[in-house]
Amino acid sequence: DTGVSQNPRHKITKRGQNVTFRCDPISEHNRLYWYRQTLGQGPEFLTYFQNEAQLEKSRLLSDRFSAERPKGSFSTLEIQRTEQGDSAMYLCASSGRPQETQYFGPGTRLLVL
Amino acid sequence: DQQVKQNSPSLSVQEGRISILNCDYTNSMFDYFLWYKKYPAEGPTFLISISSIKDKNEDGRFTVFLNKSAKHLSLHIVPSQPGDSAVYFCAASFKAGGSNYKLTFGKGTLLTVNP
Repeated sequence: DTGVSQNPRHKITKRGQNVTFRCDPISEHNRLYWYRQTLGQGPEFLTYFQNEAQLEKSRLLSDRFSAERPKGSFSTLEIQRTEQGDSAMYLCASSGRPQETQYFGPGTRLLVL
Repeated sequence: DQQVKQNSPSLSVQEGRISILNCDYTNSMFDYFLWYKKYPAEGPTFLISISSIKDKNEDGRFTVFLNKSAKHLSLHIVPSQPGDSAVYFCAASFKAGGSNYKLTFGKGTLLTVNP
């Protein structure tokens, strides 16, 4: 299977702890996106990478959030000092050619207690 | 301000009949539209897309229609099958102004296909 993969699939943490999620995009895709989905809502854009460059960040991405994509391959999303409002499904997507179509991973479901 | 709207939270149809899911948008910059299907606890699965230069795109049982003047698109599934039961998301994007094709989603419509 050469689709987008995300790890872990589930994460339960206590408020104030740091968490890190990983996304491995489809291998030939140079664009990588992070989204967040809460109950009853559609996914919301968080940030975007083209190769290793982070080109856009949503205002949803507070200073407790940081994302990286070293070497333009996998990406990590870190949340520091988690809050209960961070509980959500974190989705990663990648696109190649055509650039307009994004393919999503299975997501990481975060629960902050 | 919600730029992509799916006004029907749910839709129930009989197996074999047509399912029609609707989506409206407000941002005239959008030039690419996609439909995703999502099962619980899984990521969205890409179904079909349409560029703003077209008014129809068909792929097997799925057809997407775009009415630019009304800022409206719809997904038709014919014939509907029980395995189609899922949440369907409409999404829109554009490239201009550094938007980089980030997706703006509606809230989704839960489709239930009854045997």
